[in-house]
Parts: sequence; C-alpha cells; structure tokens
Amino acid sequence: AIRMTQSPSSLSASIGDRVSITCRASQGVSTYLAWYQQKPGKAPKLLIFDASTLQTGVPSRFSGSGSGTDFTLTISSLESEDFATYYCQQYFTYLWAFGQGTQVQVK
Amino acid sequence: EVRLVESGGGLVQPGGSLKLSCGASGFSITTTYMSWVRQAPGKGLEWVSIIYGGGATYHAGSVKGRFSISRDTSNNTVFLQMNGLSADDTAIYFCTRAAPGGLGHFDYWGRGTLVTVSS
Repeated sequence: AIRMTQSPSSLSASIGDRVSITCRASQGVSTYLAWYQQKPGKAPKLLIFDASTLQTGVPSRFSGSGSGTDFTLTISSLESEDFATYYCQQYFTYLWAFGQGTQVQVK
Repeated sequence: EVRLVESGGGLVQPGGSLKLSCGASGFSITTTYMSWVRQAPGKGLEWVSIIYGGGATYHAGSVKGRFSISRDTSNNTVFLQMNGLSADDTAIYFCTRAAPGGLGHFDYWGRGTLVTVSS
C-alpha cells in the first residue's frame, strides 16, 4: 500500500503569511493527488484535485503543485478562515490513502 | 443539490456488529464511486471502503474481512456492514462521493455518524 507523509505535522503562522505544506508518497502517484481542509467538528472540504486543479469555489490563494512522489500545497496569503487541518490523499491505486494531516495554527 | 446523509451510528459492544447507511440525493450512486472514510477521536482521516459504479468493492487492510460495503441502487443508498468491532473502530464515519468523471478525489462528504465501541 502507498503511504503518504506530510510535513510539518503542525505549523504556526500569522495572517498574511505564505504557508507551504509538503506531502510525500512512498511510491509514484503521478498527479492523482488531492488536498482537503478540515475544521473542528466539520467534514473535510476538497480544495485541490489532480495535484494542481482548484476545486470550484475555492479561493485562488490556494494552489497545489508536484507530481510523482512530492507535492506541495501553498496558501499565498493566510487569512483567518484558513486556520485548520490539511490532508493530502492519493487515488493512484484502488487503496486510497491520506496523509496524517498538518495543523495550521495561529502564531 | 448533492447531499449525503449518514445514519446508523451508535454505541456497540466489542465483538458486535453495526450497519451504517448513507442516503444520497442529487445524483445517482451508480454514476461514480462511493466511499467510507473514518476519523478516530483526535486523529486523522483513514480511508475504509469503496464501491465502484459497476459494483466492484475494495476495503482497507485494517477492516478487510470484517467490513463490507454494499448499495441499494433503487433507494440510492450505500451501506457499511461492520462486524467484529473493536475499540480501534471507534470513529466518526463519513460517506463520500468521488467526483463523477474524475479520477477518484472526493468532492462531497456527509456530516458523519459516530460509532463508539465500548463495553
């Protein structure tokens, strides 16, 4: 099974900061990768799919890049509503897998 | 409007069984993949099971042989039959939909149903 590893596990940032989260797959997943945002007590929300395609309605300050084994989610200028936990997910194989999550906290 | 509504969660004793339901509306479950994802208290997301539009099913290694995903196409409902439950299965169980025509990313999620395994 493919394992997904995110780094860092948590980070502290301020409003307006540029934030980057990394996701590494244990083997190549092409661009079969999605990013989700989850706030406490809520279901996850799809942000980006196919590694770099922004889901409809998601602000353009979110972007995704990468292919193969290394991927990055970037928030260009952090806003208050972006404090949350972020997960990557591969769907290259039929055994879907998520990263362990990255919590973005207020500095 | 796409909606996914889970039901069937609750408190069950170790070794017991439970069947979750996910009622879908706004689309046909036969047109895409439907999946269950769970989240243990304070933990991350874990993919559990998936059923393809054509009916093929797959399960994570942690639940294989104990959980079974199925569907009722006439009622547009997906099920998760869970047997041999243990404390490790305690979690919120989310029903998700893979975007039709997409490659497998989940574009809609239900609000989840809580399963607690305890004596």
